[in-house]
Amino acid sequence: QQPVQSPQAVILREGEDAVINCSSSKALYSVHWYRQKHGEAPVFLMILLKGGEQKGHDKISASFNEKKQQSSLYLTASQLSYSGTYFCGTELVGTSYGKLTFGQGTILTVHP
Amino acid sequence: NAGVTQTPKFQVLKTGQSMTLQCAQDMNHEYMSWYRQDPGMGLRLIHYSVGAGITDQGEVPNGYNVSRSTTEDFPLRLLSAAPSQTSVYFCASSDPGTSPNEQFFGPGTRLTVL
Repeated sequence: QQPVQSPQAVILREGEDAVINCSSSKALYSVHWYRQKHGEAPVFLMILLKGGEQKGHDKISASFNEKKQQSSLYLTASQLSYSGTYFCGTELVGTSYGKLTFGQGTILTVHP
Repeated sequence: NAGVTQTPKFQVLKTGQSMTLQCAQDMNHEYMSWYRQDPGMGLRLIHYSVGAGITDQGEVPNGYNVSRSTTEDFPLRLLSAAPSQTSVYFCASSDPGTSPNEQFFGPGTRLTVL
């Protein structure tokens, strides 16, 4: 079942922060985060595993709340290069390894 | 390394025609998958493979066939194209033995069915 992302779209000024959420109705083994620029392929940002710690990648970090089956992506001091569509991909407990189900995406626009 | 390659980049078909979208990777990845991307729908899994000779269905398999005879190649066949199959198709691969288990995506094939 497809995870639900919120919000659907975010508009920021450079330097502002944003949070993107990803929720699942089923038990998660892992959550992947990807960013896609217009007309390009998705690019991997980070993965969070069940029982793992919060991950960070420059000024982008993420957390995984196992009790709520939710993950949040934190973008701090946004840059113009952060613009794009962000997708979470979830692996469910008990399913085939590597089989990801993606959310519908969150469109992030950063203005100067 | 070329990574994940897909051909063709663009394709226009008429309803009822068949064709094969090609996907190849040179990273010796065991896991490969096909997604379609439609506006507002995110990426939906069509078929996937955990190794040569092993394939399974994803969320939206109807109208598509796959086979995996080698580790490198994972072609996607459209049996009888329909306008509802107009989409952007991405192939991806990953290595379960590495950390992080990121999926590497190909550049995509933009398919239009008239």
